[in-house]
Amino acid sequence: DQQVKQNSPSLSVQEGRISILNCDYTNSMFDYFLWYKKYPAEGPTFLISISSIKDKNEDGRFTVFLNKSAKHLSLHIVPSQPGDSAVYFCAASARTGGTSYGKLTFGQGTILTVHP
Amino acid sequence: EAQVTQNPRYLITVTGKKLTVTCSQNMNHEYMSWYRQDPGLGLRQIYYSMNVEVTDKGDVPEGYKVSRKEKRNFPLILESPSPNQTSLYFCASSRDRGSYEQYFGPGTRLTVT
Repeated sequence: DQQVKQNSPSLSVQEGRISILNCDYTNSMFDYFLWYKKYPAEGPTFLISISSIKDKNEDGRFTVFLNKSAKHLSLHIVPSQPGDSAVYFCAASARTGGTSYGKLTFGQGTILTVHP
Repeated sequence: EAQVTQNPRYLITVTGKKLTVTCSQNMNHEYMSWYRQDPGLGLRQIYYSMNVEVTDKGDVPEGYKVSRKEKRNFPLILESPSPNQTSLYFCASSRDRGSYEQYFGPGTRLTVT
C-alpha cells in the first residue's frame, strides 16, 4: 500500500525553465511534508518542507505547494539549473502521535534531468 | 563536520553469511533509522531507534536486526542474508523523533548472491 506516490519516474527540462515535481498521498493523517534531493552515490539531503497549516512554502528557487483537499503537493524549481539534476523524493509524516509519530513515508522518487 | 557515516559502502556476500552494516553519527542525535531503497518502491523504513536501548520495527523489518547500545551507533545486522535483501541501504538520524529533517548517510550497496 503506497501511501505516498510520485507517478512520474522521470522529468526532463531545459535550463532556465520551471521544473514541477508532483506527489500524491492517501493518508489523511499526514500533516507534514518534505522534499529530499539525492545525487548518485550520496544519501538524500533535506530540501524543503511544509506543514499542513500552510499551502505554500518558499526557499530561494524552490517552492512547495500543498493542496490538502486534493491530497497533492508539488515542488517548483525556478529557474532550473543543471546542478538540480538529481532524484527527488517527497515524504510525509503524521504528527498526531502513536507509532506513526516521527515516521517518514517516502514516495518512489522522480529523476529530474536539467539540460544545459 | 556533522555527518552520518556507514560502512562498508559496497558489499557482495553469499546467502546465509551473517553481516553487519555499521552506522555512526556525530551530532548527538536521539533518533536513528535504517531504510532500504529499491527501484519503484522509494525508501522504506526497516527499523528505528528513539534513543539508547529503544528500538522498534519499521515497515519492512523481516530478516533484519538492530541494536542501539550507544547513542552514536546504530548497526544493522543481517543474520542470514537472502537475495531479496539485495538493495541500497541508508542510515539516517535526527535530533529527536519530532524532528522531521533527517540526515542520511551515503548508503551501502549490498548484493546477496
